Amino acid sequence: DAKTTQPPSMDCAEGRAANLPCNHSTISGNEYVYWYRQIHSQGPQYIIHGLKNNETNEMASLIITEDRKSSTLILPHATLRDTAVYYCIVRVGRDDKIIFGKGTRLHILP
Amino acid sequence: DTGVSQDPRHKITKRGQNVTFRCDPISEHNRLYWYRQTLGQGPEFLTYFQNEAQLEKSRLLSDRFSAERPKGSFSTLEIQRTEQGDSAMYLCASSLGPAQTSEKLFFGSGTQLSVL
Repeated sequence: DAKTTQPPSMDCAEGRAANLPCNHSTISGNEYVYWYRQIHSQGPQYIIHGLKNNETNEMASLIITEDRKSSTLILPHATLRDTAVYYCIVRVGRDDKIIFGKGTRLHILP
Repeated sequence: DTGVSQDPRHKITKRGQNVTFRCDPISEHNRLYWYRQTLGQGPEFLTYFQNEAQLEKSRLLSDRFSAERPKGSFSTLEIQRTEQGDSAMYLCASSLGPAQTSEKLFFGSGTQLSVL
């Protein structure tokens, strides 16, 4: 079973920052937080991951709380192409498979 | 295009028939995963390979399902005696494998199976 809890859906206005929350209250010290997204009719796409520190790449930023029990994925300037289902996943490491939950369906509104 | 290819993109079959799907991962990737996804749900893990070795199979994978990766490159997923409940998107993913401490999966576009 997935170890994360996400809201089923969210709306965000185009051009604004989209902040997607994820709860992972049972996360262990060696478990990473991963985010993937899935655009309609495509396979999931890796976005970002982190362990303890906040991370940023060309797609998004990941903010992990100090106690690591929750995190937020930030898309700084959402566009219509960011409309997708976003999955938050916790994973032990390289030997543990990725288990997807139901994710958050993000709607970007024009 | 992620570099992971799946064939066919769509398959329609009659109940009771056998079907086989193929996945070609990114060439240097050691790990290959199979997932199944139904409408409105996240992908469900089925099985994965490290080179040619099948390391884990989900309890979702009944005896009618078999996966192979004979030379550690492409993989096939076969479903025997298909049932209507097998209708789903079958996704393949690959990754560099255990040399990496944090593993990114690259997914193909999937094979959509419809069992009539």
